[in-house]
Amino acid sequence: EAQVTQNPRYLITVTGKKLTVTCSQNMNHEYMSWYRQDPGLGLRQIYYSMNVEVTDKGDVPEGYKVSRKEKRNFPLILESPSPNQTSLYFCASRPGPRNEQFFGPGTRLTVL
Amino acid sequence: AQSVTQPDIHITVSEGASLELRCNYSYGATPYLFWYVQSPGQGLQLLLKYFSGDTLVQGIKGFEAEFKRSQSSFNLRKPSVHWSDAAEYFCAATGSYGNKLVFGAGTILRVKS
Repeated sequence: EAQVTQNPRYLITVTGKKLTVTCSQNMNHEYMSWYRQDPGLGLRQIYYSMNVEVTDKGDVPEGYKVSRKEKRNFPLILESPSPNQTSLYFCASRPGPRNEQFFGPGTRLTVL
Repeated sequence: AQSVTQPDIHITVSEGASLELRCNYSYGATPYLFWYVQSPGQGLQLLLKYFSGDTLVQGIKGFEAEFKRSQSSFNLRKPSVHWSDAAEYFCAATGSYGNKLVFGAGTILRVKS
């Protein structure tokens, strides 16, 4: 089944404790993105990647890192999480720049 | 700056009534436009998309949207709403390079019986 998977789905952590949210897609898509969803703000793009080793900042990149060492994986790294990073995170992938995005199920992160 | 505006935060309609959700965009050129739906606790599902051509686009679940260049709008419509349509709806747009997908803030649809 074609899909985007994220792990973990739920995470509660404390301020400053480094964490990684994994994202993997099995559709051989070149483009991948990370979004955060906050009430009243919709989804905002954090980072995106156009291919292996090619990444760029979205609208809200502060406090996040990404890497794209393999085509299928695009992990999101929070080196030192803070409470304002409490949010619902979505990973997405698409074949090319003008195609629809396929979204993962989301990761709900709480930073205490 | 590129932006997408959904003027209605909440909309309540009766089951069987017609629905129109508004979406306005601000882009330098005609963007590629999308409508997504998110049911409670779920991810996002694509309803329909507009790239070019016919300005009336048909999607899944009986939804359609009309692109109006003169009004910079891409409103979503459904002739008869079902209780299962209760969800949050997002309009989104991307420019010709397609690197960034910009979302509106979303409209929460409630359906009353």
